[in-house]
Amino acid sequence: KAGVTQTPRYLIKTRGQQVTLSCSPISGHRSVSWYQQTPGQGLQFLFEYFSETQRNKGNFPGRFSGRQFSNSRSEMNVSTLELGDSALYLCASSGPGNEKLFFGSGTQLSVL
Amino acid sequence: AQTVTQSQPEMSVQEAETVTLSCTYDTSESDYYLFWYKQPPSRQMILVIRQEAYKQQNATENRFSVNFQKAAKSFSLKISDSQLGDAAMYFCAYRSANEAGNMLTFGGGTRLMVKP
Repeated sequence: KAGVTQTPRYLIKTRGQQVTLSCSPISGHRSVSWYQQTPGQGLQFLFEYFSETQRNKGNFPGRFSGRQFSNSRSEMNVSTLELGDSALYLCASSGPGNEKLFFGSGTQLSVL
Repeated sequence: AQTVTQSQPEMSVQEAETVTLSCTYDTSESDYYLFWYKQPPSRQMILVIRQEAYKQQNATENRFSVNFQKAAKSFSLKISDSQLGDAAMYFCAYRSANEAGNMLTFGGGTRLMVKP
C-alpha cells in the first residue's frame, strides 16, 4: 500500500500570495488531518476532514481553509500569505477505528 | 484545553544504552489516548507507541516501552538498546477519547542524539 503522499515537497511564495497544498491519503482512509509545524509554535492542529466534511478545526485564522474530495484526497489553501506562515505542513490519514495516524513527509512552505 | 509538556529539549545516549524521555500532560478528562511519535530527518512522523488511558498495563513495542502514571499525568518513553537509527525528534501527543476525530495535541519535542 502506498503511504500518505503530499505535494509539492517544497514551495516558495511571496507575501500576499495564496498557496494550495495537496494530500493523498492511504487507500481506504477517509480521515485526513492537517498540522502546521514551526520551530516557535511546534506542531499545531489545523483541521480534519472526514467523508468530505470538516470534522474538527484548530485555532487558525480564516485564511487557512481546506477541503476533501470524494476520493478522500484533501487540499489545504492559505490565502494572503504572511511571513509567519512559513512552516512544514503535515498531512495525516487514518482508517476505520481511527486508531493510528499515518503521516506524509510534509510540504515545506517558505514565504518571502 | 489539554496541554502536553516535554521538559527535555535534547537528550543524548550511548549506543546500546537505555534512555528515558519525559512527558507530562494536563487534562480534566478520564478517557484519552497518549502517543509517542518519532520524526527523523525525513520529516515523516512515525508512530512509536500508543497507550489507552483506561489500560493500566504499560504499552510495549519491541525496544520501546512506556511508563504511564495516570494520577501523576506522566507518560515517559524508555528506549532500550539504543541504536543509531533511533536518533530523531520525539513527540509526545494526546488525543481525547470523548471526541470524534484525530485532533492531536503535541508536546514541544525532544531531540535524541545517539553516540556510537
